[in-house]
Amino acid sequence: NAGVTQTPKFQVLKTGQSMTLQCAQDMNHNSMYWYRQDPGMGLRLIYYSASEGTTDKGEVPNGYNVSRLNKREFSLRLESAAPSQTSVYFCASSLRDRNIQPQHFGDGTRLSIL
Amino acid sequence: GDSVTQMEGPVTLSEEAFLTINCTYTATGYPSLFWYVQYPGEGLQLLLKATKADDKGSNKGFEATYRKETTSFHLEKGSVQVSDSAVYFCALKTGGFKTIFGAGTRLFVKA
Repeated sequence: NAGVTQTPKFQVLKTGQSMTLQCAQDMNHNSMYWYRQDPGMGLRLIYYSASEGTTDKGEVPNGYNVSRLNKREFSLRLESAAPSQTSVYFCASSLRDRNIQPQHFGDGTRLSIL
Repeated sequence: GDSVTQMEGPVTLSEEAFLTINCTYTATGYPSLFWYVQYPGEGLQLLLKATKADDKGSNKGFEATYRKETTSFHLEKGSVQVSDSAVYFCALKTGGFKTIFGAGTRLFVKA
């Protein structure tokens, strides 16, 4: 029962390198999300996908792009990594985007930009 | 806009002590309220939820009651264990696509 799977778990990049973070869910959920978590700042929404074929910006989209590849997969791309993007990235999914549905999270990708 | 405010941590308790983590919210409409828990090295997990006023969510000995009159959703547990050491997030979700999270409260429980 995998739930939400994120790869890789850890990554170190140099400034200016590009990187794609992968996320897949096996719960047949409609909606998927990317967050970043920084000390003392809680979770901030980067992008979300309400359903297959749609994506929208969240609170902090600058420097990122996303692709909803199919219903299961939602990837996050850093085109030119910057030290300010050092963070822990979480992918999440929910059954439908109604307010009673909780989100299910992956275990995160710990990304360091040097 | 919608927001969630929870007490700053860290909170340090001895085993078997009573726990309260305060959470208040501001929201338009009728939000659902959630508590999530994050153990070291892991993602957030749903701990409990309440979807309307006066609902009580409960799980693993934790409880929280949706208080519309005070716009609060405080987390309580009667007797904490070392294994409860984690970061706790209060969150709300309205009819839109976004969940609003509080900043998190770190709990340390000493044996």
